[in-house]
Amino acid sequence: AQSVTQLDSQVPVFEEAPVELRCNYSSSVSVYLFWYVQYPNQGLQLLLKYLSGSTLVKGINGFEAEFNKSQTSFHLRKPSVHISDTAEYFCAVGRSGYSTLTFGKGTMLLVSP
Amino acid sequence: DGGITQSPKYLFRKEGQNVTLSCEQNLNHDAMYWYRQDPGQGLRLIYYSQIVNDFQKGDIAEGYSVSREKKESFPLTVTSAQKNPTAFYLCASSAGQGVQETQYFGPGTRLLVL
Repeated sequence: AQSVTQLDSQVPVFEEAPVELRCNYSSSVSVYLFWYVQYPNQGLQLLLKYLSGSTLVKGINGFEAEFNKSQTSFHLRKPSVHISDTAEYFCAVGRSGYSTLTFGKGTMLLVSP
Repeated sequence: DGGITQSPKYLFRKEGQNVTLSCEQNLNHDAMYWYRQDPGQGLRLIYYSQIVNDFQKGDIAEGYSVSREKKESFPLTVTSAQKNPTAFYLCASSAGQGVQETQYFGPGTRLLVL
């Protein structure tokens, strides 16, 4: 079984500050890693994903994430956040050969002026 | 525009009543999924289907049923056996059957119990 831990349920930051949302997973086999964003009362939208290759993955809206196999982490970062980045962010992991993802419990990013 | 539609946006259920949530996609995707979202719980998989006329239980299938008679449609029925149905329900689809495929989500249906 695989699991995903998002270490912070809420992250408050000021506008234009950098932010890191942390995600750790538990799986000893090849994994695929995803970050999704959910704005209030909406569905999820893919930010970025890691399938293979370069461990630094760039996504939409200026976000990026780094796959660290030794630390089993896939932290999401943005160098300067905007008010519009206020949303809930979900990390998800899938195992090669399987059909379903396991989602973390989410991190609410709260950006204030 | 291609996408996933879910209806209704809000749904009210009375005690002992079955209700059906609609999910339609025009992306020509093979796989479809139903998730339940509760505050602080993330997304939990209810059912998924990789091909027409076939579906599998997810982690929390008890009290729910699905059908996949058409490629574009994957309705979810919340039965009276589901004792705590109040939640936000999300439908998703992906082009292929592998977990590496991106899942695209609908806007969700919020189910409330009267």
